[in-house]
Amino acid sequence: AQSVTQLDSQVPVFEEAPVELRCNYSSSVSVYLFWYVQYPNQGLQLLLKYLSGSTLVKGINGFEAEFNKSQTSFHLRKPSVHISDTAEYFCAVSLQGAQKLVFGQGTRLTINP
Amino acid sequence: DAGITQSPRHKVTETGTPVTLRCHQTENHRYMYWYRQDPGHGLRLIHYSYGVKDTDKGEVSDGYSVSRSKTEDFLLTLESATSSQTSVYFCASGWQGPDEQYFGPGTRLTVT
Repeated sequence: AQSVTQLDSQVPVFEEAPVELRCNYSSSVSVYLFWYVQYPNQGLQLLLKYLSGSTLVKGINGFEAEFNKSQTSFHLRKPSVHISDTAEYFCAVSLQGAQKLVFGQGTRLTINP
Repeated sequence: DAGITQSPRHKVTETGTPVTLRCHQTENHRYMYWYRQDPGHGLRLIHYSYGVKDTDKGEVSDGYSVSRSKTEDFLLTLESATSSQTSVYFCASGWQGPDEQYFGPGTRLTVT
């Protein structure tokens, strides 16, 4: 069965600094990969997804992620964060052809002025 | 935004009572899901549906049942609520299984 590990439960950064949120997965077969964001007291919304093709995926709000098959990673990056990026971020994986997502534990991103 | 609503948004109930949470979507999505969110665990799948009357278990299905009699509605029932079921419950729906899922606003359930 596949699993997802988000290596940092909390990441504090200063406004306008770059950020990387780390995600590793385990699976012996091909997967689809996702990053979702949850703003306070809201549901989740999709930031970006990797299904196939280019390993560098661009999403909303200036975020991007790179799929690295050899390292089984899908790290999320943003070159310059804003206060409004304060949220919890979830990495998720699904086997190709499967109907379910498996989520990581989440990383809480806090932006300090 | 996809039209997904959940009701109630907040509920406090006593141990041993039955509870039903409702998810309603207006997008004609085939797939619907129920998750629970707990600190340190992310989101865990309880049950999901791949069509009317077609449901399957997720990783934390014990103590929960679901029903889907119409495309737009997916009900989650706690037959006899326990304190361990205190959580935030999210419903999601989507067109194609593992592809993008659209989430509702969540229901905060407290079992005392």
